[in-house]
Amino acid sequence: GQQLNQSPQSMFIQEGEDVSMNCTSSSIFNTWLWYKQDPGEGPVLLIALYKAGELTSNGRLTAQFGITRKDSFLNISASIPSDVGIYFCAGHQAGTALIFGKGTTLSVSS
Amino acid sequence: ETGVTQSPTHLIKTRGQQVTLRCSSQSGHNTVSWYQQALGQGPQFIFQYYREEENGRGNFPPRFSGLQFPNYSSELNVNALELDDSALYLCASSRTPTGLSSYEQYFGPGTRLTVT
Repeated sequence: GQQLNQSPQSMFIQEGEDVSMNCTSSSIFNTWLWYKQDPGEGPVLLIALYKAGELTSNGRLTAQFGITRKDSFLNISASIPSDVGIYFCAGHQAGTALIFGKGTTLSVSS
Repeated sequence: ETGVTQSPTHLIKTRGQQVTLRCSSQSGHNTVSWYQQALGQGPQFIFQYYREEENGRGNFPPRFSGLQFPNYSSELNVNALELDDSALYLCASSRTPTGLSSYEQYFGPGTRLTVT
């Protein structure tokens, strides 16, 4: 099935560092969502973006809906150990279901 | 507010068997979507149920079928299990179907299915 391109595939950072990850597609999306998944759990919704150029924050997380509508970015500031997990982007086109990326695995060392 | 729940947590089946997975939607949500997540991959959309009818389907064969009940809970049935069906099956609920207004889906913990 169709999937979005997420990068990087994995990241190893020190506690306190800022993190950036992105998601790209060859298709235009109307909505971008960012989820975090912990081992053995389902994905948890972090941020939803509905408008091109939109910048939305949720605590230390900030996400942007790319102006071309083909990409989205997620930034995490001042990372902490509980930020460890897999981050997924998901896009929605009119009349279809959510399409997910393959995920970015984040590891944080203290 | 009660979140999305799924049962069972884990399941082991033999190739060729049939399986039924269950999902209770979050309170206030009337739409349920099912996803298959293979190891190391993102979730893949199977189908969505709204008002007890299928409301969109991904690229999965007919042996994947579902039901939604009046209380909005849902079942996923898979017949003639194959080894490649081994995956985490996720259920997600939302206030409205995707394609209308809210695209925010809330996921359950999943059912880990192993086919041997």
